[in-house]
Amino acid sequence: GAVVSQHPSRVICKSGTSVKIECRSLDFQATTMFWYRQFPKQSLMLMATSNEGSKATYEQGVEKDKFLINHASLTLSTLTVASAHPEDSSFYICSNSGGGLDTQYFGPGTRLTVL
Amino acid sequence: GENVEQHPSTLSVQEGDSAVIKCTYSDSASNYFPWYKQELGKGPQLIIDIRSNVGEKKDQRIAVTLNKTAKHFSLHITETQPEDSAVYFCAASPNQAGTALIFGKGTTLSVSS
Repeated sequence: GAVVSQHPSRVICKSGTSVKIECRSLDFQATTMFWYRQFPKQSLMLMATSNEGSKATYEQGVEKDKFLINHASLTLSTLTVASAHPEDSSFYICSNSGGGLDTQYFGPGTRLTVL
Repeated sequence: GENVEQHPSTLSVQEGDSAVIKCTYSDSASNYFPWYKQELGKGPQLIIDIRSNVGEKKDQRIAVTLNKTAKHFSLHITETQPEDSAVYFCAASPNQAGTALIFGKGTTLSVSS
């Protein structure tokens, strides 16, 4: 399957800090990437759909000004958590979809802990 | 919108036994159904998927069955091994590139030796 990387794998920051998470599609061009959030012992919740060269589409209840998504190239999408607070602590996972395929492959995830 | 229900939430089996996880979906437009395995602290890994033009697909010890009329699909793992212990998620989508998956709540499978 396709290879997706995320960086960093984990980050611990103080409240009020902005944190950027990178998601890279390593072996094919991903026209679409998805960002999910997963709280402990829960399922994956879609946050937003990121399309290369256009604005992301956010799910209901997800603040676009807080979770800034940039998909500047076919291999890179970034999620920036602006002014993070403890309630933003979670496991953030991206996935990619491209080449006319519906199959999605997930990155290894980023564990964010906001103190 | 689509809603995916998954059962059971936890499943414990002895090594060598079979495990079955069931999911139902609500949107008849859905026609792509992947299954993911997630180990602790890692991202989900695609283990098998099925599209609505087939009723069953098998890959070694793993098989998936689909009943479109009843809107349910199941994951079957035979000859379970301790390394099969993980959380398994089913998902559904309308089989279009660029469409997000809707996930079930997950099943924690524990295989004891």
